[in-house]
Amino acid sequence: EAQVTQNPRYLITVTGKKLTVTCSQNMNHEYMSWYRQDPGLGLRQIYYSMNVEVTDKGDVPEGYKVSRKEKRNFPLILESPSPNQTSLYFCASSLGLAGSYEQYFGPGTRLTVT
Amino acid sequence: KNQVEQSPQSLIILEGKNCTLQCNYTVSPFSNLRWYKQDTGRGPVSLTIMTFSENTKSNGRYTATLDADTKQSSLHITASQLSDSASYICVVTWRQAGTALIFGKGTTLSVSS
Repeated sequence: EAQVTQNPRYLITVTGKKLTVTCSQNMNHEYMSWYRQDPGLGLRQIYYSMNVEVTDKGDVPEGYKVSRKEKRNFPLILESPSPNQTSLYFCASSLGLAGSYEQYFGPGTRLTVT
Repeated sequence: KNQVEQSPQSLIILEGKNCTLQCNYTVSPFSNLRWYKQDTGRGPVSLTIMTFSENTKSNGRYTATLDADTKQSSLHITASQLSDSASYICVVTWRQAGTALIFGKGTTLSVSS
């Protein structure tokens, strides 16, 4: 089944404790991105990647890191999480640029930072 | 400034009734406009995508319209079902060097029996 998977689905952590949220897709997509979704603000792009080893900042990249060592994986790294990073996170992938191709979203990761 | 505004913010309707959700945008130039359905706690799922040259697109009971001149789109849901309860998000692609997705904040629809 073609899908985007994220792990973990739920995570509660404390301020400053490094964490990684994994994202994997099995559709051989070149384009992958991370979004956060907050009440009243909608979806906002954090980082995106157009191919292996090619990443770029989205609208709200502060406090996040990403890497794209393999085509299928695009982990999101929070080196020192803070409470304002409490949010619902989505990974998404598409065959090419998200504006030109259908974008498929993962199931989401709900992160709480205390 | 590129913006996508959706209205209403929330809506409650009875099962079986029709409803229309609105999306106004100021994005220019734009490539396409999409409507997504997002069930609570899940990722958005695409319903329709329209380029600037299309003015209507259907997906089952969902029909999207686009007026590129007035920069307005609507999503019409026919004979609503309980499973239509979700958030509906309008997304406009900004055609620039590369492409950028401009997201609306969504309309939350509740269908009651």
